[in-house]
Amino acid sequence: DSGVTQTPKHLITATGQRVTLRCSPRSGDLSVYWYQQSLDQGLQFLIQYYNGEERAKGNILERFSAQQFPDLHSELNLSSLELGDSALYFCASSPRQGVNEKLFFGSGTQLSVL
Amino acid sequence: AQKITQTQPGMFVQEKEAVTLDCTYDTSDQSYGLFWYKQPSSGEMIFLIYQGSYDEQNATEGRYSLNFQKARKSANLVISASQLGDSAMYFCAMREGSGDDKIIFGKGTRLHILP
Repeated sequence: DSGVTQTPKHLITATGQRVTLRCSPRSGDLSVYWYQQSLDQGLQFLIQYYNGEERAKGNILERFSAQQFPDLHSELNLSSLELGDSALYFCASSPRQGVNEKLFFGSGTQLSVL
Repeated sequence: AQKITQTQPGMFVQEKEAVTLDCTYDTSDQSYGLFWYKQPSSGEMIFLIYQGSYDEQNATEGRYSLNFQKARKSANLVISASQLGDSAMYFCAMREGSGDDKIIFGKGTRLHILP
């Protein structure tokens, strides 16, 4: 158990809908990252927060947004969902920023858009 | 811009043999970190090993070692005495010391260990 909690584990929804994925980082970790993994693909970096502030942005669609709350949990909001948004969404956390800080991953949220 | 390349989409290796998974990277930073993660069929991401750009020795963690060749910008993962449980997807990743804090992953190598 990495200590990173993601809910829900599975989500099935329809095109055009909006969903919210939730992540609780490990106790004490200030940095939260979101990644998208499509079928047989690598992990695509979406966005990173550090202590409530957005620090890095990847190829995140405008239909997607995220935030990190004062208690350090984070939410990823996906709206106007399309079939291609079906993927495994990972949240990861690390204590601080720094080249030697490894990521601790949650078990992911499997999103299926029908 | 940082970039990670894993050129082996899939590999088949006989049990108990050693296996090398290739990873090359591109960065203009002098300070950076390199990571390997394992993703079994169950889907979770498991940290295996870390190498810092200033580390003089190759990193080792049990059966895992990292063959770090800085001049060639390669960070290959070596698994000694492979086991059936090593069958999984393996990802190389890099974190730069400057700029933003994103960690970029390669596309991965799917390793199959044959009995």
